[in-house]
Amino acid sequence: AQTVTQSQPEMSVQEAETVTLSCTYDTSESDYYLFWYKQPPSRQMILVIRQEAYKQQNATENRFSVNFQKAAKSFSLKISDSQLGDAAMYFCAYKEGGTSYGKLTFGQGTILTVHP
Amino acid sequence: KAGVTQTPRYLIKTRGQQVTLSCSPISGHRSVSWYQQTPGQGLQFLFEYFSETQRNKGNFPGRFSGRQFSNSRSEMNVSTLELGDSALYLCASTETPLALEDNEQFFGPGTRLTVL
Repeated sequence: AQTVTQSQPEMSVQEAETVTLSCTYDTSESDYYLFWYKQPPSRQMILVIRQEAYKQQNATENRFSVNFQKAAKSFSLKISDSQLGDAAMYFCAYKEGGTSYGKLTFGQGTILTVHP
Repeated sequence: KAGVTQTPRYLIKTRGQQVTLSCSPISGHRSVSWYQQTPGQGLQFLFEYFSETQRNKGNFPGRFSGRQFSNSRSEMNVSTLELGDSALYLCASTETPLALEDNEQFFGPGTRLTVL
């Protein structure tokens, strides 16, 4: 079974600085997708960024970028120029590709605090 | 478009009772997935419905069941509630089955269930 591990239960960053959240996963598949989701306090979870495993180029969405190391099974999220609105729980998630069924497997989450 | 809506937002039940939670997906979305979120176990996949058919099921006991209606609205039912069923239950919708590569899950705000 696939597993996703986020080893940092909590992280903090100063406003305008950069922070990196770590995620590792375990799979024997070659076709899969990785995601970072953001869950603000008492608000809906939203997709931050996604990465297809077959793409070597790291995904980027504005201030958010990933460092995808397929051989190491590592998928970290970098948030540049951190803003107060980035404070949330961040989840790393995995989805197997090329199957007739789908589900997301989530890590335990990392609480990000942004200090003004 | 309106987002994914879940009702009720909060619910208090006692052990042994049953509960039904409702999810209305984004208009045009035909796939609905359910997740259980607890501090101890994190986010765990319950099941996915597409076109009124259950496509995939997570590792939960038979007390957890669901269904989907012709308008894509979905309900999940938990019978004989246990204290450990206290959790945030999240619903997410996609246009197409979750297994397909190019789709994005949109999450609802969740239903907070407390079992006393």
